[in-house]
Amino acid sequence: DVKVTQSSRYLVKRTGEKVFLECVQDMDHENMFWYRQDPGLGLRLIYFSYDVKMKEKGDIPEGYSVSREKKERFSLILESASTNQTSMYLCASSWGVLGAQPQHFGDGTRLSIL
Amino acid sequence: GNSVTQMEGPVTLSEEAFLTINCTYTATGYPSLFWYVQYPGEGLQLLLKATKADDKGSNKGFEATYRKETTSFHLEKGSVQVSDSAVYFCALSDDYKLSFGAGTTVTVRA
Repeated sequence: DVKVTQSSRYLVKRTGEKVFLECVQDMDHENMFWYRQDPGLGLRLIYFSYDVKMKEKGDIPEGYSVSREKKERFSLILESASTNQTSMYLCASSWGVLGAQPQHFGDGTRLSIL
Repeated sequence: GNSVTQMEGPVTLSEEAFLTINCTYTATGYPSLFWYVQYPGEGLQLLLKATKADDKGSNKGFEATYRKETTSFHLEKGSVQVSDSAVYFCALSDDYKLSFGAGTTVTVRA
């Protein structure tokens, strides 16, 4: 089974801090994704990556950046955290052609910005 | 752009009741369609998928048929259990990403 592991289940940070969310997958997938999940809005794509060192903006990239130095690891960075970034963050991975294959999700990180 | 609309919840049922969650989509081309399920405190899991018109995806007693003529992919289960309580998301492949519906919360009472 594919395993996508997010480093923290719960995280509390302060406004203005730089926040790192880490995600590791163990199935050698080419593609990795970061979403945020908010009630009534479903999942919204922040950034994705289709290869090492490659990254593309999703639908809501403002205030975020990402890093993919190794194939198995995809990090989400909140450059200067704000209260409107309080949310559930989900990492996912998939293989093959982007969009054609199902994505495998981690358990999520619930981030609170105070 | 492509989009997914699914019925709003929450939905509350008794055990052994019939469940339907409506999902319709707007898309150019021929996207793949998915249902994901999120149990409390967990990430999303793929429940079933269909890749072309008239395909039926099925898993764990759930079924959904890709209907191109009505642009729908409704999820059904004939007899739900308490363990089916979860949030269900309809999604479609949209070029490089998945586009998700807002999610439907289902609660099954014993």
